[in-house]
Amino acid sequence: QTVVTQEPSFSVSPGGTVTLTCGLSSGSVSTSYYPSWYQQTPGQAPRTLIYSTNTRSSGVPDRFSGSILGNKAALTITGAQADDESDYYCVLYMGSAVVFGGGTKLTVL
Amino acid sequence: QVQLQESGPGLVKPSQTLSLTCTVSGGSISSGGYYWSWIRQHPGKGLEWIGYIYYSGSTYYNPSLKSRVTISVDTSKNQFSLKLSSVTAADTAVYYCASYSNYRGDFDYWGQGTLVTVSS
Repeated sequence: QTVVTQEPSFSVSPGGTVTLTCGLSSGSVSTSYYPSWYQQTPGQAPRTLIYSTNTRSSGVPDRFSGSILGNKAALTITGAQADDESDYYCVLYMGSAVVFGGGTKLTVL
Repeated sequence: QVQLQESGPGLVKPSQTLSLTCTVSGGSISSGGYYWSWIRQHPGKGLEWIGYIYYSGSTYYNPSLKSRVTISVDTSKNQFSLKLSSVTAADTAVYYCASYSNYRGDFDYWGQGTLVTVSS
C-alpha cells in the first residue's frame, strides 16, 4: 500500500521560512495527485490551506504557498507567525482513493 | 455555506457495529461534484481516510478497512452514513465527515468531529 511521507516535526523561528514536504514511499508526487494541504489545531477539524498543488483556499494568508519541489509536494510558510504552530497534513488523490500523510507538527519558537 | 454534522453513539461495545450519520445542510448531496467522506483520527495521531460515496451510490474505501466498512447515502434526508463492523479498542477515534470536492481536489467542508470510544 502506498505510504505518503511527511516530516514528523519541524521547527521555525518567528519571521522565518519553512518548507514542509509530502512524498511517496514509491515514486514521485506530481500535479496529477492534486496535492492538498491542511492545518489542524488541537480540538479542531482540519482546514484547507492549499488545494490542487498551489491554489490557496479562501481566506488563507499569502504567506502560505504550495508547489512541487523535485519529487515531492511542498508547503512553504514565509514569515512564520506564532499562530502557525499547528499540525499540517497533506493529502494525495490516488485515482479512486485519497491518502493522508502522517502529518508534520510545526513548532514556532 | 455547506455545513456537516456527525451524530451517533459515543460509546460502542467491542465486536459490535459502529454507526454514524452525517447531516448536510446548506447544500444538496445530490448536486454532484462531491464525494461524501468519512475520516478518523486516533487520539494524538494523524488523520486516516475511511472512505467516501458519491450521491449515485458509488463507494470507495480504504483498503485497510474495506472488509469492515459500509458507507451509504440517503439523498431524501440529505445524509450519509458510516457503519464499521467488528470494532475493537483500536477503532476508538474522533470520526469526521467531510466533503471532498471533485473540482478542487480537497476536503473543503468538515464536520466538527465526534469521539467514538470502543469499550465494554
